[in-house]
Amino acid sequence: DVQVVESGGGLVHPGGSLRLSCAASGLTFSDYAMSWVRQAPGKGLEWVSGITGSGVNTHYADSVKGRFTIGRDNSKSTLFLEMNSLTAGDTAVYYCAKGSSGYNWNDVEFWGQGTLVTVSS
Amino acid sequence: DIQMTQSPSSLSASVGDRVTITCRASGSIKSYLNWYQQKPGKAPRLLISAASSLQSGVPSRFSGGESGTDFTLTISSLQPEDFATYYCQQSYITPPTFGQGTKLEIK
Repeated sequence: DVQVVESGGGLVHPGGSLRLSCAASGLTFSDYAMSWVRQAPGKGLEWVSGITGSGVNTHYADSVKGRFTIGRDNSKSTLFLEMNSLTAGDTAVYYCAKGSSGYNWNDVEFWGQGTLVTVSS
Repeated sequence: DIQMTQSPSSLSASVGDRVTITCRASGSIKSYLNWYQQKPGKAPRLLISAASSLQSGVPSRFSGGESGTDFTLTISSLQPEDFATYYCQQSYITPPTFGQGTKLEIK
């Protein structure tokens, strides 16, 4: 069975940085594009960033462009999200999400359980 | 970005009721429309892809439809486990965008 497990969330001060990880199993990781999707407390879903299976192509939501960096290590079946210059508006549960193919991050087929990022002084 | 507008934002219904949730796209998304179910404290679960394709393991009481840029999720006979929040999402254009959600509550 496919599993994705996020880690790295926590409390960070405004302006700080955090690195999220997502460990995948039960799939050939490099065959799938991956995304990060976030959900602020009590709010809806917001797509944050996507990366193709090869790692060559990436895309970011305007709200995080220039501050967040997505990456992956296919040899370790791991997805990353480097987050810098964090603000209170970035407070959310961050989900690691599996795409439907190597280049399609838009169709999210499977989600991890999420990791909570809280930005507060 | 494509805006997705869901209605209603909340809905009260009883076990056995038939309910329909609507999602409207601000532009053409062809049939690139997914529906997700989310229960409190849990990750979303994909129910329907490509507007009407039921995912494996999803009960047949769930169905999806489309008419132009309007899309529907119908539950034919509500069961207790169906009370949750439902989101539509367009996957036609990056960034993929979600509706604001419809919270389905027990009457």
